[in-house]
Amino acid sequence: GIQVEQSPPDLILQEGANSTLRCNFSDSVNNLQWFHQNPWGQLINLFYIPSGTKQNGRLSATTVATERYSLLYISSSQTTDSGVYFCAVGSTSGTYKYIFGTGTRLKVLA
Amino acid sequence: GAGVSQSPRYKVAKRGQDVALRCDPISGHVSLFWYQQALGQGPEFLTYFQNEAQLDKSGLPSDRFFAERPEGSVSTLKIQRTQQEDSAVYLCASSRETAYYEQYFGPGTRLTVT
Repeated sequence: GIQVEQSPPDLILQEGANSTLRCNFSDSVNNLQWFHQNPWGQLINLFYIPSGTKQNGRLSATTVATERYSLLYISSSQTTDSGVYFCAVGSTSGTYKYIFGTGTRLKVLA
Repeated sequence: GAGVSQSPRYKVAKRGQDVALRCDPISGHVSLFWYQQALGQGPEFLTYFQNEAQLDKSGLPSDRFFAERPEGSVSTLKIQRTQQEDSAVYLCASSRETAYYEQYFGPGTRLTVT
């Protein structure tokens, strides 16, 4: 089945710093989402981005489907950005289920 | 509008007990998914419904796990004879259509089997 790898696994930033999180996947996908799992466990939708580029405030994401990767950019990080960031992909064959990466655990220090 | 809701939020069960976890998807959403998230891991797929039809149950770990969505809205995940390895957070997600639509997740039910 499709493999999803995220990097880095852990990241510590000072407030105000910028960061780039990466998601590599091993096969063609028709769906891709980025989520932020907050300390209470809620998965918050950040972007639905099977291809192209999107921006929402301090966050932006780019997916290059032909090269099988996606990037999530966080600018001017805040302590509330802390948590785990997951990339999830759905393959082009059969099921609509998501395969999640192992996540990037982000801690932003004040 | 209201998001995906799940109940109970926390459940403690003694090993061997049966449990039922409920998911209320966003109104009108066709697709419903259940995922299991172990501590420190990403969510893993359990099963998928399109309306009332269970089209994929390939992720259910054993025949002790059973899910239903009889009227195409609310879904229940049932675990019979719970084991300690069933301890996890169970997440429900729904999406508006089938393919090519984002999934929205509920807050999860944290199951602890003692």
